[in-house]
Amino acid sequence: RKEVEQDPGPFNVPEGATVAFNCTYSNSASQSFFWYRQDCRKEPKLLMSVYSSGNEDGRFTAQLNRASQYISLLIRDSKLSDSATYLCVVNGPPPGGYNKLIFGAGTRLAVHP
Amino acid sequence: DAGVIQSPRHEVTEMGQEVTLRCKPISGHDYLFWYRQTMMRGLELLIYFNNNVPIDDSGMPEDRFSAKMPNASFSTLKIQPSEPRDSAVYFCASSPQKDNPTEAFFGQGTRLTVV
Repeated sequence: RKEVEQDPGPFNVPEGATVAFNCTYSNSASQSFFWYRQDCRKEPKLLMSVYSSGNEDGRFTAQLNRASQYISLLIRDSKLSDSATYLCVVNGPPPGGYNKLIFGAGTRLAVHP
Repeated sequence: DAGVIQSPRHEVTEMGQEVTLRCKPISGHDYLFWYRQTMMRGLELLIYFNNNVPIDDSGMPEDRFSAKMPNASFSTLKIQPSEPRDSAVYFCASSPQKDNPTEAFFGQGTRLTVV
C-alpha cells in the first residue's frame, strides 16, 4: 500500500463549480498534513496546512479525519486559475521518518469556462 | 530572500556520463530534501539532511546515486554513471522546521534527460 494515496483525476469542472479531493495515508503516527499545489512544469508550492479541527482559507477548506486516516480539500467557486495538480502531503513515521514529507501522486484539476 | 536555488535548470547528457546537480537552500533552514519527479512514480523523496548530516537515504535508488552537503549553504546530488531511466525532474527543497515538520520550499528543479 502506498504511504499517501490520491485519486489521480483529472477532474474537469466548469468555472464556479465546487470540487473535492480526497487523500488517505497509511501511517497512523503521522502528525503533520499539507496540501501543495503544482502548476505545469513548475515546482510544488504550499497551498495550506491541514489542522485537526479543519481550516479554511478563502475558497479552500481542508479537513482531517485521523480515525479514518483521511484528508480532504474542498475548492468552492472554482476559477480558471485553480487549474493545477493538488498534492497531498504527510510526514513520515517516527522516529527516523518524522521530519520527512511524503507526497501523494497528485490530483489534476482542469477548470474550463 | 532568493529562495532555493538549483542549477542547472536543464541538463542533457549521454548514458554513462556523470551528472552533478546543485542546490543552495534558503539561509537558516536546517533541513534539505532531494526529490525526484516522474510521470510514472510522482514525487519521490531520495534523501534528506538535517544540519548538513544525512538522516534518511532510503529513497536513493542505487549506488549510482550519491548526495553530499558539505556546508549549510550547498548540497549536491551526483549520478555516476547516468542511465536513461534516470531522466526526471530533480527538486531540492529546504525547510525551517525544528521539532515538528513544517512547510518545505522547493527550488525550480533540474530537468535531466539522459540519452
